[in-house]
Amino acid sequence: GQQLNQSPQSMFIQEGEDVSMNCTSSSIFNTWLWYKQEPGEGPVLLIALYKAGELTSNGRLTAQFGITRKDSFLNISASIPSDVGIYFCAGQLNAGNMLTFGGGTRLMVKP
Amino acid sequence: DGGITQSPKYLFRKEGQNVTLSCEQNLNHDAMYWYRQDPGQGLRLIYYSQIVNDFQKGDIAEGYSVSREKKESFPLTVTSAQKNPTAFYLCASSTWARTQNTEAFFGQGTRLTVV
Repeated sequence: GQQLNQSPQSMFIQEGEDVSMNCTSSSIFNTWLWYKQEPGEGPVLLIALYKAGELTSNGRLTAQFGITRKDSFLNISASIPSDVGIYFCAGQLNAGNMLTFGGGTRLMVKP
Repeated sequence: DGGITQSPKYLFRKEGQNVTLSCEQNLNHDAMYWYRQDPGQGLRLIYYSQIVNDFQKGDIAEGYSVSREKKESFPLTVTSAQKNPTAFYLCASSTWARTQNTEAFFGQGTRLTVV
């Protein structure tokens, strides 16, 4: 079946630094989603991408839908302590198909 | 407010007992899902349902059962056959239409501990 490889698995950064993480797939997706999960809570949708090459921002977060349709990137600028959590990517081939989740990137921010 | 609600937040169960986790949504979503999350791990799909009175096994369905008698509700039963039930359980819902965006929205989770 389809698999999503998310990297890095974890990051420990200093407050104020920029963060980059990505997801790659062995096959194409037509929708990419990025979620954030805080400790003990459910994942919350951050950004949804629907078109290859699309670049979408949500505050300090920017995500891109790779032109090959097999990858997506999430960047966080000027990190702050409340950015701590696990970030998950998810891909969907077509509307009506199941989501496939990446393994998550655990972000830790040192004040 | 529209949303998806899981209850309880924390649940303790004696080994050998069945336990049911509740998931309710008022988003008018057709599809509902149950995921299991172990410490430091990603999400693994247990069961999903695209329509009332129908559901499908996910990747790790053994030891679990579900029902979908109402569109709003998708309870998960963790049976005594589940060998390692201690985990964080997440319920999600989404639309299920080929003409609509189908982002999944999650509940706040239920942490189940077997004692």
